[in-house]
Amino acid sequence: DGGITQSPKYLFRKEGQNVTLSCEQNLNHDAMYWYRQDPGQGLRLIYYSQIVNDFQKGDIAEGYSVSREKKESFPLTVTSAQKNPTAFYLCASSRTGGADQETQYFGPGTRLLVL
Amino acid sequence: AQSVTQLDSHVSVSEGTPVLLRCNYSSSYSPSLFWYVQHPNKGLQLLLKYTSAATLVKGINGFEAEFKKSETSFHLTKPSAHMSDAAEYFCVVSPPSGSARQLTFGSGTQLTVLP
Repeated sequence: DGGITQSPKYLFRKEGQNVTLSCEQNLNHDAMYWYRQDPGQGLRLIYYSQIVNDFQKGDIAEGYSVSREKKESFPLTVTSAQKNPTAFYLCASSRTGGADQETQYFGPGTRLLVL
Repeated sequence: AQSVTQLDSHVSVSEGTPVLLRCNYSSSYSPSLFWYVQHPNKGLQLLLKYTSAATLVKGINGFEAEFKKSETSFHLTKPSAHMSDAAEYFCVVSPPSGSARQLTFGSGTQLTVLP
């Protein structure tokens, strides 16, 4: 089955701690994305990557970092600089060309809670 | 520039009655439009998309949407609601043949289905 997996499902962060959220896809998509979702709001783009070893800031990148060392993987680190990290984090992927390039496919999400 | 407005934050219907979720968009071109559904603590699932072909688009689970350029609308409908339709629905806009990087998400409509 092709798809996107995110782990863990729930993650707890202590004050001053960095935590990393995993995102893996086997759809052979070039582009990957990280979104933050807060209650009653739409999705806000944190970072995106169109190709391996390259990534760009989205609308709310402060306090977050990413890497893209492999096509299949796009981990997100929530750093201690992110003062309000409690949210639901969604990873997505898409093609970068062809008829379906506008369509994003989403993982199941990780809920981050602060202790 | 583009934007999307979901006109109702909450919609409540009885099981077996029609569903109407309203979405208006603003765009300087003829956009691509999507509806996604999100069940609690899950990722987003693509329901349907419009990409300048037929203006009436049929999606999964009996949902459909009609693109009306004159009204700048893309309302989601279903003839008969089922309990399993209870979820949050997002309307999304993209430039035509644009990359998924350029998606703009609405703030969501929570659908409640009453027995």
